[in-house]
Amino acid sequence: AQTVTQSQPEMSVQEAETVTLSCTYDTSESDYYLFWYKQPPSRQMILVIRQEAYKQQNATENRFSVNFQKAAKSFSLKISDSQLGDAAMYFCAYRQGAQKLVFGQGTRLTINP
Amino acid sequence: KAGVTQTPRYLIKTRGQQVTLSCSPISGHRSVSWYQQTPGQGLQFLFEYFSETQRNKGNFPGRFSGRQFSNSRSEMNVSTLELGDSALYLCASSWGGKDSTEAFFGQGTRLTVV
Repeated sequence: AQTVTQSQPEMSVQEAETVTLSCTYDTSESDYYLFWYKQPPSRQMILVIRQEAYKQQNATENRFSVNFQKAAKSFSLKISDSQLGDAAMYFCAYRQGAQKLVFGQGTRLTINP
Repeated sequence: KAGVTQTPRYLIKTRGQQVTLSCSPISGHRSVSWYQQTPGQGLQFLFEYFSETQRNKGNFPGRFSGRQFSNSRSEMNVSTLELGDSALYLCASSWGGKDSTEAFFGQGTRLTVV
């Protein structure tokens, strides 16, 4: 079974600085999707960024980018110029085939003003 | 375009009772998935419905069931509630095809079993 591991339960960063959240996953498949979701106190899961495994180029969305290392099964999220609104739980997720997401345990990100 | 709507937002039930949660997907989406979120177990997949058929099922007891209607709205039912069923229940919708890349989540239903 596929598993997703986030080894950092909590992270903190100063406003305007850069932070990287780690994620590793285990799968024997070659075609899959990886996601980072953000869950603020409102509890609604919001998609931050996605990566298709067949694409070698790392995905980027404004201040958010990923470092996708397929051979190492690593998928880290970099947040540049951190803002107070970035404070939330961040979940790494894996999907292969049908609409079933496997989530990591989450990383709570705190932004210090 | 309206987002994913879950009702009710909060629910308090007594052990042994049953409960029904509702999820209205984004218009045009045919897939609805349900997840249970608890502090101890994290986010766990319950099941997915596509065009009124259960397409995937997670590892939950038979007390957890669901269905999907012709308008893609989905309901989740939990019978004989246990204290451990207290959780945030999230549903997600997507158009459901093989190339469907993004699932959109609702705000969840917070269920408390006392």
